[in-house]
Amino acid sequence: DVKVTQSSRYLVKRTGEKVFLECVQDMDHENMFWYRQDPGLGLRLIYFSYDVKMKEKGDIPEGYSVSREKKERFSLILESASTNQTSMYLCASSLHDYNEQFFGPGTRLTVL
Amino acid sequence: RKEVEQDPGPFNVPEGATVAFNCTYSNSASQSFFWYRQDCRKEPKLLMSVYSSGNEDGRFTAQLNRASQYISLLIRDSKLSDSATYLCAVNDGSNYQLIWGAGTKLIIKP
Repeated sequence: DVKVTQSSRYLVKRTGEKVFLECVQDMDHENMFWYRQDPGLGLRLIYFSYDVKMKEKGDIPEGYSVSREKKERFSLILESASTNQTSMYLCASSLHDYNEQFFGPGTRLTVL
Repeated sequence: RKEVEQDPGPFNVPEGATVAFNCTYSNSASQSFFWYRQDCRKEPKLLMSVYSSGNEDGRFTAQLNRASQYISLLIRDSKLSDSATYLCAVNDGSNYQLIWGAGTKLIIKP
């Protein structure tokens, strides 16, 4: 079974803090994704990566950056957290293009 | 903009009934299609892939209609445990992304 893990289930940070969200997958998947999910807005893609050190902007990259130094690990960074970044953050991975994505359990981030 | 549309519901259905959802997509170049299930405050989980010939997994049947550009999910003999939000996802056709529907909420009542 594919396993995608995320570093925290719940996180509370203060405005202006730098926040790191980590995601690890154990199935040698090529592609990794970061989404946020808010009520009424569905899943929105922040960034994705199709290879080590490669990244592409999704629909809402502003205020976020990512890092993929190893194939199994994909990090999301909030350089200076703001209250409008309070959300559920979901990491996903897929083996290749056109394949299904598998999700981690999510991190519920609250920025005060 | 490439879109995937779903009826948000909620669909309120008595236990044991059959329920069907549709999901329309706008990009005729899309090549892969999926149904996911998401429970409240949990991550989406893959329910089934949708193949051109249609596919069935127990009480669940998924079909693809390329001509009209929609996929469907049929749930037979619905159970209380089927209550969830059902998301459809469609490959973008040109890159690595899936385009997600906003989900259809299903409530199964005893």
